[in-house]
Amino acid sequence: NAGVTQTPKFRILKIGQSMTLQCTQDMNHNYMYWYRQDPGMGLKLIYYSVGAGITDKGEVPNGYNVSRSTTEDFPLRLELAAPSQTSVYFCASTNLRGRGHGYTFGSGTRLTVV
Amino acid sequence: QQQVKQSPQSLIVQKGGIPIINCAYENTAFDYFPWYQQFPGKGPALLIAIRPDVSEKKEGRFTISFNKSAKQFSLHIMDSQPGDSATYFCAASMNNNDMRFGAGTRLTVKP
Repeated sequence: NAGVTQTPKFRILKIGQSMTLQCTQDMNHNYMYWYRQDPGMGLKLIYYSVGAGITDKGEVPNGYNVSRSTTEDFPLRLELAAPSQTSVYFCASTNLRGRGHGYTFGSGTRLTVV
Repeated sequence: QQQVKQSPQSLIVQKGGIPIINCAYENTAFDYFPWYQQFPGKGPALLIAIRPDVSEKKEGRFTISFNKSAKQFSLHIMDSQPGDSATYFCAASMNNNDMRFGAGTRLTVKP
């Protein structure tokens, strides 16, 4: 029972480089989310998806892109990395857009842009 | 703008004490208020949650108190233990989507 799996756990990027953060869940959840966590700022929603083929912007989408070709996978793409994207990124999922269901989070990807 | 404000930023209590973490929200359309617990190097994990139609919910040593008129809710940890040392986040959402998080409280329980 893996839950939400994120890879890689750590990554250092140079300014201007690109990368994809991977997220996979094995709980057949329809709803998936990407958050970034900065010290003292809580979690900010980047993008979310309510099902395969459907994605939408959250609070802080600039500099990121997502896709959702399958129920299980929700990769986050960083194009032209900037130091402001240094953060810890969390993927989360939930099974219903309804009442009484919390999110299941992955263990995070710590990204440093230098 | 920050839709969920959390305080304090950090909290230190002795073992057996009752730490209290407070949150205030602005959007009256929020209908789900969870608390998450996060240990270093791990993702947040759902701890306990409440809906605005009740004023209190208790699960084990953890209690949420909810004041709808004041748009505030709080987490109480009874008989706190060193293993409770973690960062706690309050959150709020509508229909369990677009969850908005507080800034977090780092709790330290001293033995």
